[in-house]
Amino acid sequence: SAVISQKPSRDICQRGTSLTIQCQVDSQVTMMFWYRQQPGQSLTLIATANQGSEATYESGFVIDKFPISRPNLTFSTLTVSNMSPEDSSIYLCSVGVTNEKLFFGSGTQLSVL
Amino acid sequence: GENVEQHPSTLSVQEGDSAVIKCTYSDSASNYFPWYKQELGKRPQLIIDIRSNVGEKKDQRIAVTLNKTAKHFSLHITETQPEDSAVYFCAATDSGSARQLTFGSGTQLTVLP
Repeated sequence: SAVISQKPSRDICQRGTSLTIQCQVDSQVTMMFWYRQQPGQSLTLIATANQGSEATYESGFVIDKFPISRPNLTFSTLTVSNMSPEDSSIYLCSVGVTNEKLFFGSGTQLSVL
Repeated sequence: GENVEQHPSTLSVQEGDSAVIKCTYSDSASNYFPWYKQELGKRPQLIIDIRSNVGEKKDQRIAVTLNKTAKHFSLHITETQPEDSAVYFCAATDSGSARQLTFGSGTQLTVLP
């Protein structure tokens, strides 16, 4: 499995501001994803971070709200824009290894006041 | 698309007893079924997985069984210990891609000493 580092680990933000979350992997991986886990809920895929091209967003998520960058095969960022209290969640970076196996970063606990 | 239902939502067992968590899936084409364990405040961790060409897989105290005809799979934990207390998520995919994993709603397992 890959070692996935994510930061910040937690943040408290004001309504209307933006937060950028970073994800660094210790090896080159083809597939990188961003998930959201709302309090007490399951895991929801936000988007697939594509290296060198625009991310692929799942239904209900849009680029203007969750812009994603992936400049190379080991790094990605997710920005949560114009935040509201409803954006308070854990955001998880993840990578796909051997196509199916999914491994998660340590997560970013976001609280929006 | 795939739909995964997980039961029970909460489960309490005495230390040393066995715990069973069940999931059903809707897409008969699904062929990969991982289980994740998420301790409080930590990332989900892959603990065991099974492919559709196998009916059962064991790893020490944990095992997963798959019934393709009935479209359900189960996680079995024997000789439970307090450190098994966590939220467990099942998932399924039919595409052979981590991107298409659909997660269950989670089971909070509590092992009582």
